[in-house]
Amino acid sequence: DVKVTQSSRYLVKRTGEKVFLECVQDMDHENMFWYRQDPGLGLRLIYFSYDVKMKEKGDIPEGYSVSREKKERFSLILESASTNQTSMYLCASSPPVATDTQYFGPGTRLTVL
Amino acid sequence: ELKVEQNPLFLSMQEGKNYTIYCNYSTTSDRLYWYRQDPGKSLESLFVLLSNGAVKQEGRLMASLDTKARLSTLHITAAVHDLSATYFCAVEKLQGAQKLVFGQGTRLTINP
Repeated sequence: DVKVTQSSRYLVKRTGEKVFLECVQDMDHENMFWYRQDPGLGLRLIYFSYDVKMKEKGDIPEGYSVSREKKERFSLILESASTNQTSMYLCASSPPVATDTQYFGPGTRLTVL
Repeated sequence: ELKVEQNPLFLSMQEGKNYTIYCNYSTTSDRLYWYRQDPGKSLESLFVLLSNGAVKQEGRLMASLDTKARLSTLHITAAVHDLSATYFCAVEKLQGAQKLVFGQGTRLTINP
């Protein structure tokens, strides 16, 4: 079974803090993704990575950055958290075969006060 | 810009009934994915539809894809309470890139 884990289920931070969300997958997948989920908006892609040290912007990258130093780990960074970044953050991974699905982690609910 | 719209957004139905969730998208794509999300849980893959006319079935759920109409349907047959969840469709933005655009989700509640 594919397993995608995220470092925290719940996180509370203050405005202006630097926030790290970590995601680890154990299936040697090349592709990794970060989404945020907001009610009524579905999931929106923030960043994705096809390989170690590679990253590409998704649809809403503003205010975020990412790091992928190892194949199994993909980190999302909020350089200076703001209240409008309060959301559920979901990480996903997939193999390079384009016909396969993405496998999602449990999510991190981030609240920025 | 690819837009994906689901309807209805909320659906309350009785056990034993049939219903369909619709997923429309705005630009050409021939890859569409359906996911299920239970409250407080993450997304679970249901179906991957890869070509025009694709149909997949699992238990009481059946999904189909019409790429010419830019429409996918998720049909529920003889609904049971365990199917209560939020269902998302997602369309691949660029073929082979796995950049997905998700619909808003359909919250399905099945009452005894």
